[in-house]
This record gives sequence, structure tokens and C-alpha cells, in this order.
Amino acid sequence: NAGVTQTPKFRVLKTGQSMTLLCAQDMNHEYMYWYRQDPGMGLRLIHYSVGEGTTAKGEVPDGYNVSRLKKQNFLLGLESAAPSQTSVYFCASSPGTGRNIQYFGAGTRLSVL
Amino acid sequence: AQSVAQPEDQVNVAEGNPLTVKCTYSVSGNPYLFWYVQYPNRGLQFLLKYITGDNLVKGSYGFEAEFNKSQTSFHLKKPSALVSDSALYFCAVRDTGGFKTIFGAGTRLFVKA
Repeated sequence: NAGVTQTPKFRVLKTGQSMTLLCAQDMNHEYMYWYRQDPGMGLRLIHYSVGEGTTAKGEVPDGYNVSRLKKQNFLLGLESAAPSQTSVYFCASSPGTGRNIQYFGAGTRLSVL
Repeated sequence: AQSVAQPEDQVNVAEGNPLTVKCTYSVSGNPYLFWYVQYPNRGLQFLLKYITGDNLVKGSYGFEAEFNKSQTSFHLKKPSALVSDSALYFCAVRDTGGFKTIFGAGTRLFVKA
């Protein structure tokens, strides 16, 4: 059971380039999330999804887009990367909200030059 | 609005000594409270949670946390620290009527042999 898998693990982009981060979960979870982690700021929610075909904005959505065409996959896109998007990105999934815990991937370290 | 505060950026403790990592929170309703741990180059892993009932919650790896409603705190504790406990610890809160989880900025625990 792989849990939550993120690809790629590392990426370096030049300003203005685009890329897509892939998150896949094999636990049949309804909810999926994208966070960014910056030093001293904890995790901030970028976008989330409450089911296949649905997405919603989180705390810091600007500059990012997402899609959830299949229940197991949640894609995070950067259309035109900026240095401010240099961060570590984490995907998470959960079976529901409320008392349910989140399961995290290992992260993607992105540098935008 | 929900918020979480972890007042210490770093906690240093000697191996074998008790440890405490502090967390205070603010929510509009009753809280669900969580502790997660992050080891280097890994995603967050669930440690324990408070939903309702006993104020002392026991979790993985010998950790426990005490819920104090009057002080709106949820401090993480362990009676005897191990070097392997050295990691980044995140407190998180979710309003029972809400959806989003708010994470604290994280506290780095350093256990010295």
C-alpha cells in the first residue's frame, strides 16, 4: 500500500516556466489537498478537493490551478512560475473531514530561479 | 477565525529527560486537535488527536498530549525523550463544524545524547 505518492520529488524552474505536480493516492479517499510549506509559516492550504471533479480555493491559491479528473489523482499546476513559488509542496488525502486525519506525501521541493 | 500558535521555534532537551512542545489554539466552536511529526525529507505523519472525552490523549511512539479547554492549549509531552524524537512537530486545529485544518508554524525538537 503506497499511500500518497508525489511526483516529481525535486524540480528547478526558470521564472515564467510552467509545470504540473502530480499527487496519487490509493486509499480511495474523497478529500485531497495541496499545501505549501515555507520556513516559519507552517503549512498553508493552496487548493483542495472534496471529490472527483470538484476543486476549491484554499488560503493561498493565486498563481496555482488544480484538477481532479480521477478520484485518485490531484494535479497542481503552475502556469507561469515565479520566485515566490519556491517552496516545498505537500499533497495530502483524507477519507473525510471532522475527526479524520490527513495522510501526506513525501513532498516536492521546487526552486524557481 | 481559527488559529494555532506554537510559541517556541525550537525545543532542546537531553535524552532521557521529559519533553514538552507547546500549542495554543483559537476556534469558534469545539475543536478537533492534532499533532503531526515531520522527519527530514518526509511528509507529515500523524501522532495523535483529541476529539472528545479524556483530556489526556495517548499517541504513537510514547507521546501524549493534554487538552486544556480553559487555557485553550494542547501541549505535546513525552516522559523520556529519545534522540530519534528529534524532528519538526506541528500542532493543527479544525473546527468541528468546519472543514479546513489550520497548522501551526512548527516547533523543531532537538534531543541531545
